[in-house]
Amino acid sequence: AQTVTQSQPEMSVQEAETVTLSCTYDTSESDYYLFWYKQPPSRQMILVIRQEAYKQQNATENRFSVNFQKAAKSFSLKISDSQLGDAAMYFCAYVVSTNAGKSTFGDGTTLTVKP
Amino acid sequence: DGGITQSPKYLFRKEGQNVTLSCEQNLNHDAMYWYRQDPGQGLRLIYYSQIVNDFQKGDIAEGYSVSREKKESFPLTVTSAQKNPTAFYLCASSRQGLYYEQYFGPGTRLTVT
Repeated sequence: AQTVTQSQPEMSVQEAETVTLSCTYDTSESDYYLFWYKQPPSRQMILVIRQEAYKQQNATENRFSVNFQKAAKSFSLKISDSQLGDAAMYFCAYVVSTNAGKSTFGDGTTLTVKP
Repeated sequence: DGGITQSPKYLFRKEGQNVTLSCEQNLNHDAMYWYRQDPGQGLRLIYYSQIVNDFQKGDIAEGYSVSREKKESFPLTVTSAQKNPTAFYLCASSRQGLYYEQYFGPGTRLTVT
């Protein structure tokens, strides 16, 4: 079965500091996409960042960046200069392009940001 | 503004009753999905649809049904056969063939007593 594992159920970070959330996945496919989604207390899921598996360069979006290690099937999210608004549950997910766009999600990591 | 709407935000039903959750999108996306989220857990796929008049079961389809008569709409019915229906339900859509990132609605919290 294809799975996504987020080994850190909870993380905390001091405001303005950097935090890294871990994610590993298991797929035998070669063409897939990886995502980090954020779910704040409002429960509205929003996309944080996307990585195409065929790209070697790590994706970045402002203060958010990923460390994509394809051979190790690892996809961690780094949040720099953490802000209070970053407090949320973060989900790692992947989609295999030949699988009808179905996403497989991890169980999430709850991030607390301390002022 | 384009997006996904789900209604209502909170829904209460008595055990034994069927209930339908609404999901509408104006993003012109072909694919739509229904997920269930339980406290402290990730998203589990209930049903998905890639085109109008066609849909497939996800990982936890038992006790649920869907229809896709219009591209914009993908309602989910929680039947009395669903043993533990109380949960948070999220609808999503995606554009096939391009990244497959999903756009989510605000969700519906269903409580069955």
